[in-house]
Amino acid sequence: KQEVTQIPAALSVPEGENLVLNCSFTDSAIYNLQWFRQDPGKGLTSLLLIQSSQREQTSGRLNASLDKSSGRSTLYIAASQPGDSATYLCAVELASNTGKLIFGQGTTLQVKP
Amino acid sequence: KAGVTQTPRYLIKTRGQQVTLSCSPISGHRSVSWYQQTPGQGLQFLFEYFSETQRNKGNFPGRFSGRQFSNSRSEMNVSTLELGDSALYLCASSLTTSASTDTQYFGPGTRLTVL
Repeated sequence: KQEVTQIPAALSVPEGENLVLNCSFTDSAIYNLQWFRQDPGKGLTSLLLIQSSQREQTSGRLNASLDKSSGRSTLYIAASQPGDSATYLCAVELASNTGKLIFGQGTTLQVKP
Repeated sequence: KAGVTQTPRYLIKTRGQQVTLSCSPISGHRSVSWYQQTPGQGLQFLFEYFSETQRNKGNFPGRFSGRQFSNSRSEMNVSTLELGDSALYLCASSLTTSASTDTQYFGPGTRLTVL
């Protein structure tokens, strides 16, 4: 059974710091991995999607990497800002056309001004 | 392009009642997935519909059901509500075709409270 774990559960950093969020999964046979952001009481915003054949994806200050063999992904946030404060979730899809994402519990990030 | 919309946004029901939630996907998206989010269990997959057919189902009791219409709008129904059904219900749509999977785009959710 695929399990997704995110460590740490919560993180507080001063503004301007570069940070790394971690995601691990137990079964390396994934189709893709996605990172999402969730603001309190809101839906999820897609940040990055990495196909199983890719090693990383970048969008602005965000960079996500994927190492299938070790069952790990990291989300790197450069020059963090207070507006980055949110819960970050990673999710894996095991096969194409399932529409089923398996989520980690998330890392709640607070960026202090 | 309009995003995924969900109605209603908030709902209060009592135990034993039933409820229907609605989701309108992004125009052109044919896949709709539903998730339940609770503080204890996190985000859990309920089911996914593509072209009016349920392709995948999560580990939820039969009280949870859904359907998709020809315009890709989807509804989920929960019968005989229990206190533990209180949650944020999220739907997501994607441009998934029969051959590939794309990013899922989530709606704002429906907050269901069961008293």
